[in-house]
Amino acid sequence: GNSVTQMEGPVTLSEEAFLTINCTYTATGYPSLFWYVQYPGEGLQLLLKATKADDKGSNKGFEATYRKETTSFHLEKGSVQVSDSAVYFCALSTQAGGTSYGKLTFGQGTILTVHP
Amino acid sequence: DTAVSQTPKYLVTQMGNDKSIKCEQNLGHDTMYWYKQDSKKFLKIMFSYNNKELIINETVPNRFSPKSPDKAHLNLHINSLELGDSAVYFCASSQTRDRGRGGQETQYFGPGTRLLVL
Repeated sequence: GNSVTQMEGPVTLSEEAFLTINCTYTATGYPSLFWYVQYPGEGLQLLLKATKADDKGSNKGFEATYRKETTSFHLEKGSVQVSDSAVYFCALSTQAGGTSYGKLTFGQGTILTVHP
Repeated sequence: DTAVSQTPKYLVTQMGNDKSIKCEQNLGHDTMYWYKQDSKKFLKIMFSYNNKELIINETVPNRFSPKSPDKAHLNLHINSLELGDSAVYFCASSQTRDRGRGGQETQYFGPGTRLLVL
């Protein structure tokens, strides 16, 4: 079956530090890959996505590249801010078995805390 | 103008009770979902409906019954609540673009309903 594995958290950084959150996946077919962010007390928001190999998703200074050869979609940001403190979820979407509809499979989430 | 809304935001109830959570989306999407987030933040899909038709039904106790009166609404009814049902429940929606290459659509999430069963 499909699965997503994220690096263990929590991750604690100082402001302006470089961020990497690793994400690897196992899937059949050609999944789309996503990073969602959950700020404290809120729902999930799409951060970025990539739908095919070698695509790079980017948003708000965050980037991730769809690497089919290493089955990875690592999230990076060159200089984090306190406001980036949140839980980050890597996810993949494939067609639900026997249908043509998407089904999201999430990683376990990585808690990021950024200190001033 | 909230895109995906859920009510209530918080729900505290006793074991054995029956409760419902409502979800509405104003994005014009044709597919809606329910996810459960446990205390360790792990998210798992429960159900999905497309145009009021059930398309995904994961291994969920039959005490949970989704109902979709129309494309814009997907409600979740839970019978005989148990302690283990305590979690955050998220509704989401998406628009199916290409039936031949499903899975690429972005899902938009509601703010969540925090359920606590005592």
